[in-house]
Amino acid sequence: KQEVTQIPAALSVPEGENLVLNCSFTDSAIYNLQWFRQDPGKGLTSLLLIQSSQREQTSGRLNASLDKSSGRSTLYIAASQPGDSATYLCAVPVGGNKLVFGAGTILRVKS
Amino acid sequence: NAGVMQNPRHLVRRRGQEARLRCSPMKGHSHVYWYRQLPEEGLKFMVYLQKENIIDESGMPKERFSAEFPKEGPSILRIQQVVRGDSAAYFCASSQREGHYEQYFGPGTRLTVT
Repeated sequence: KQEVTQIPAALSVPEGENLVLNCSFTDSAIYNLQWFRQDPGKGLTSLLLIQSSQREQTSGRLNASLDKSSGRSTLYIAASQPGDSATYLCAVPVGGNKLVFGAGTILRVKS
Repeated sequence: NAGVMQNPRHLVRRRGQEARLRCSPMKGHSHVYWYRQLPEEGLKFMVYLQKENIIDESGMPKERFSAEFPKEGPSILRIQQVVRGDSAAYFCASSQREGHYEQYFGPGTRLTVT
């Protein structure tokens, strides 16, 4: 059974810091891994999707890496801003259709 | 290209009433997924549908919950005889094709049972 874990559960940093969010999964036979952002009371915004054949994906100040063999992915946020404050979720597909989510990392960037 | 649309955004029901949640997938998407986010818990898969077919309902409670995705119109998640424990955020996602393709999420419906 696939299980997804995210650490830390919460993170508070001053504006401008670079930070890393971690995601681990128990079954390394994944097709891809998706990172989402969720603002309070809102839906999920897809940030990055990394295919299993890829090592990393970049979008602006975000960089996600994937190491299937070790069952890990990291989301790197450069030069953090208060607007980055949100909950960050990672998810992997199981059985071809359903996503299994981690519990998320609550990020607060202080100005 | 409009994103995934869900309505209502907020729904209040008394115990014992029925709740109907609607989801319109992105244009060109024929695969719909429903997820539930209980308070202080993570997102959990409920059901996966294609047009007129339920493909995987392994995450949906066996009683009181049903889902459909008709040939015409939005996908509907129906909860009969709601109880307080049904209070949660219900999210719909859609994808263009079957398999390991990116899912796009709607804003969710927040159901409160009083």
